[in-house]
Amino acid sequence: GAVVSQHPSWVICKSGTSVKIECRSLDFQATTMFWYRQFPKQSLMLMATSNEGSKATYEQGVEKDKFLINHASLTLSTLTVTSAHPEDSSFYICSARPAGLGYNEQFFGPGTRLTVL
Amino acid sequence: SQQGEEDPQALSIQEGENATMNCSYKTSINNLQWYRQNSGRGLVHLILIRSNEREKHSGRLRVTLDTSKKSSSLLITASRAADTASYFCATDAIGYGNKLVFGAGTILRVKS
Repeated sequence: GAVVSQHPSWVICKSGTSVKIECRSLDFQATTMFWYRQFPKQSLMLMATSNEGSKATYEQGVEKDKFLINHASLTLSTLTVTSAHPEDSSFYICSARPAGLGYNEQFFGPGTRLTVL
Repeated sequence: SQQGEEDPQALSIQEGENATMNCSYKTSINNLQWYRQNSGRGLVHLILIRSNEREKHSGRLRVTLDTSKKSSSLLITASRAADTASYFCATDAIGYGNKLVFGAGTILRVKS
């Protein structure tokens, strides 16, 4: 149980294009999903918290107009990197927190590697 | 930054030896969690220890938590080559809205 998927697992795009990454909780409902970014040999940095049915909360320094987050259902959140540039190349990981869980355990997706040429 | 620190940054041991990784953090917490990440992959949850717990075991893993020192350690006993990965601690800080703050991580290499 508690499986989170991400799609695509990797994507290469040209500078200036937009890329959408999906995060799905496969066997549980998640009222809250989180999006992280990880640069090579570094730790995960939280980008934003996505709550079902409401606007995402972005961490300081993360441009909300560049990283669009939609959490339209209890099992799906999407991250769209708009007008991607080479510096946006990174490993993007989502996590989902099961609804009704009494403590903060998050289940992570396998990640999406974005390369912007 | 609320990000914690982990040491060592990298650890290389022989198969069968024990591996100890340490994590320090800055704020009061609800719990602390340890994750493993194989190269280029997602995170696997290893163990969660609550703020009122001092030690927890899961298989070959032993986690300790000292809230007075704001530190935790992860011990992997009888290591295997398959344990080669990056290990991260993550804190669920009080008043931080269910967000996890990850440490810098320790890269463990187990040589066979």
